[in-house]
Amino acid sequence: AQSVSQHNHHVILSEAASLELGCNYSYGGTVNLFWYVQYPGQHLQLLLKYFSGDPLVKGIKGFEAEFIKSKFSFNLRKPSVQWSDTAEYFCAVNVNTGGFKTIFGAGTRLFVKA
Amino acid sequence: EAGVAQSPRYKIIEKRQSVAFWCNPISGHATLYWYQQILGQGPKLLIQFQNNGVVDDSQLPKDRFSAERLKGVDSTLKIQPAKLEDSAVYLCASSFQDRVTEAFFGQGTRLTVV
Repeated sequence: AQSVSQHNHHVILSEAASLELGCNYSYGGTVNLFWYVQYPGQHLQLLLKYFSGDPLVKGIKGFEAEFIKSKFSFNLRKPSVQWSDTAEYFCAVNVNTGGFKTIFGAGTRLFVKA
Repeated sequence: EAGVAQSPRYKIIEKRQSVAFWCNPISGHATLYWYQQILGQGPKLLIQFQNNGVVDDSQLPKDRFSAERLKGVDSTLKIQPAKLEDSAVYLCASSFQDRVTEAFFGQGTRLTVV
C-alpha cells in the first residue's frame, strides 16, 4: 500500500536557524508531491508542489523542496526560519491507483523560538 | 474567491448517537474529498467524489459512515452510530480535478464522542 513517512514529529528551532523536514513515500509509479502547512487555528493550505520538471521547487514564504526520485524523497527546506513559521507541516503524495488520490504523512509540528 | 465551507465547526455527541457534517466546495471544483484527522496523525482519506460519483471509498467504514454528493456540489458525511474512536477533525477539501492540482481545505469539523 502507498504510504508517506515524515521523519520528525516535533521540531524546535530558534529563529534564523535552518530547517529541513524529511518526507519519504512508497509508490513506484508517477507521483505528484505537495507540502501543506497548517498555522495555529487555520486550515490546511498549500506551501509548494511538484508535478514535473526541475526537481527543486520553490514555494511561498521562502520554502523550497527537492524531489529525489531515487530516494523516494521530497524534503522541505528553509534557510532561516522565523517565529511565524510555527505550524504543522504535512507532506502529501498524489498517486494514480485507478483514480488519483492524495495520501498524507502524519505531519511535523514545528515550533520556532523567538 | 470563497473557500471551502464546512459546518458545524464543533460537535459533541454521545456514543451511539448519529451526526452529520456538511461541506460546500469551491465553485467549479469537480473533486471533493472527506478526510478524517485523528489527533497526532495526518489526514486520512475517507471518500473521494468526482462530480457526484464515488472515486474511492476504500477507507470509509461503511457499516457506520455514509456520504453523498447530490448534484455534484454540496456533500454530507454521516456517522451512525458514533463510536468513541470517531473523535477527530473531519476535513472537507475540493480541487478542480483529481490529478495534478492542489486541494483546498475547509476549516474542518471537530467531533468529540463521549
